[in-house]
Amino acid sequence: GAVVSQHPSWVICKSGTSVKIECRSLDFQATTMFWYRQFPKQSLMLMATSNEGSKATYEQGVEKDKFLINHASLTLSTLTVTSAHPEDSSFYICSAPTSVGTGELFFGEGSRLTVL
Amino acid sequence: GQSLEQPSEVTAVEGAIVQINCTYQTSGFYGLSWYQQHDGGAPTFLSYNALDGLEETGRFSSFLSRSDSYGYLLLQELQMKDSASYFCAVRDRGTDKLIFGTGTRLQVFP
Repeated sequence: GAVVSQHPSWVICKSGTSVKIECRSLDFQATTMFWYRQFPKQSLMLMATSNEGSKATYEQGVEKDKFLINHASLTLSTLTVTSAHPEDSSFYICSAPTSVGTGELFFGEGSRLTVL
Repeated sequence: GQSLEQPSEVTAVEGAIVQINCTYQTSGFYGLSWYQQHDGGAPTFLSYNALDGLEETGRFSSFLSRSDSYGYLLLQELQMKDSASYFCAVRDRGTDKLIFGTGTRLQVFP
């Protein structure tokens, strides 16, 4: 079964509104979670690293005021796309590492955001 | 930083063998991973090479050569369900981030 649960799977919103995406680790604690964005036919681009109890670290070029990340507990990280615009339409996916030093991440199911 | 290059697309027929290459420029990583992603879905982990050499998992094998900054994923006895995108990835030793390659779209034909 899934070890990282992401919600919602699909969301359609009007331009200018904010959308929150939740990522939960099931049956394990995740002090770190990674948020990726993927445009059609492209690779997964790391947006930010979410750290429980501290501020997220953002990749170069990612607007921290637009993509708000909160890691309030050891099992929940949220990504809020504020004042969404059509160019923010994308597939957003969270992940959590299995353990340090391995190549595997547990991925959420992903969230398809469409901004009208 | 990390940079991983893959061919954009590969085509093959059922039953064939296909190799997807990954060349990288990196300042340090734990190992090379491979992920499969079907359209609209999340990536799923396929294999991991911590050391140089070949790792075999059923129909899939993966290879790493750190001296050549190169790795590949080998898929044997191709099936239609193998049509998907495949990504190599490295776990950055300094930040623990997983950085993905450019991705290869595999199309398997009957």
